[in-house]
Amino acid sequence: DSGVTQTPKHLITATGQRVTLRCSPRSGDLSVYWYQQSLDQGLQFLIQYYNGEERAKGNILERFSAQQFPDLHSELNLSSLELGDSALYFCASSVGPGLGAYNEQFFGPGTRLTVL
Amino acid sequence: AQTVTQSQPEMSVQEAETVTLSCTYDTSENNYYLFWYKQPPSRQMILVIRQEAYKQQNATENRFSVNFQKAAKSFSLKISDSQLGDTAMYFCAFMKHGGGTDKLIFGTGTRLQVFP
Repeated sequence: DSGVTQTPKHLITATGQRVTLRCSPRSGDLSVYWYQQSLDQGLQFLIQYYNGEERAKGNILERFSAQQFPDLHSELNLSSLELGDSALYFCASSVGPGLGAYNEQFFGPGTRLTVL
Repeated sequence: AQTVTQSQPEMSVQEAETVTLSCTYDTSENNYYLFWYKQPPSRQMILVIRQEAYKQQNATENRFSVNFQKAAKSFSLKISDSQLGDTAMYFCAFMKHGGGTDKLIFGTGTRLQVFP
């Protein structure tokens, strides 16, 4: 158990719908990262938050948005869902903001999103 | 932009034997980290081993070791005395040192099957 929690574990929805994925980082971690893993592919970085502020953005679609709340949990919102959005969405957390010192990322168990 | 390439989609090895997974990467950075992650059927992302680019000595973690060739931008993983529990997807990943973000850039993975 990495200490990172993600809810829900599984989500099945229809095209055009909107969903929210939730992530709670490990105690003491200030950074949260979101990654998308499409079927049998590598993980693609979506976005990073550090202590409530957006730190870095990857290839995140405009239909996707995220935020990190004062209690440091994060939510990833996916809207106008398409079949191609079906994937495993991972959240990871680490202590630092990425300013030089190595901070290991700890991954949650992922949320499996299926868009029908 | 950094890229990570894993050219072996699938590998197999017999229990107790040794197997090597290949990874190449492209970057203009001088300071970075390289990783191997394991993703078993449970889909959990597990850090196997980490290599700092400034260290010439290859990292080792029990039965797992790497061959880091910085000039060739090559980073292979050797698994000795393979065990059935090593069956998993293995991802090579790159992280830039500093720069304000610790985002990980992943390869597409190698599926390893260990046979009895």
